[in-house]
Amino acid sequence: DTAVSQTPKYLVTQMGNDKSIKCEQNLGHDTMYWYKQDSKKFLKIMFSYNNKELIINETVPNRFSPKSPDKAHLNLHINSLELGDSAVYFCASSQTGSIEAFFGQGTRLTVV
Amino acid sequence: AQSVSQHNHHVILSEAASLELGCNYSYGGTVNLFWYVQYPGQHLQLLLKYFSGDPLVKGIKGFEAEFIKSKFSFNLRKPSVQWSDTAEYFCAVNRRGSYIPTFGRGTSLIVHP
Repeated sequence: DTAVSQTPKYLVTQMGNDKSIKCEQNLGHDTMYWYKQDSKKFLKIMFSYNNKELIINETVPNRFSPKSPDKAHLNLHINSLELGDSAVYFCASSQTGSIEAFFGQGTRLTVV
Repeated sequence: AQSVSQHNHHVILSEAASLELGCNYSYGGTVNLFWYVQYPGQHLQLLLKYFSGDPLVKGIKGFEAEFIKSKFSFNLRKPSVQWSDTAEYFCAVNRRGSYIPTFGRGTSLIVHP
């Protein structure tokens, strides 16, 4: 059973489109995150949700909107996609009091 | 703001060579430290972690790391690398009481057979 699963694994889309990436964790964790990994492999936190509430919102364009319908899901919706949004997006989860984050397999987004 | 520095961006070794990857962090308080590995086309996997106790931490696949508080360092080591160790290695730090890791820029390791 996959602990943190993301769909889709690959996403190719045109500039200007709106797309969503889904993330689900079956670990019972109360905190979920989205990270962006750029072409140089640098991982940067974008958002963090704890018990469905936004607790971290780094400087990302407001075209990016996370949505957490419940503790097990944190979806990432992106409006008006731009070339610079091309990256690998990783979802992760952890439990308050634990120090370890578990990562999904990543979604490679390519904007053409 | 805390930051994590990995000084080696690209490392190329032959099989059986010894490995040491540097990691330094800037936060002065109590921290938790991690090394993650990302094999080609795969997700991040935890190699090892430190949160207290013995500063020499042993992880999976023969990796170990040593926490040196005075140097704000958490270097990763392996005495003899294998071709299958070819991957990206990320050091990460979070403050005690926080659960959001900050990552270094990663080190790309290539091991030639």
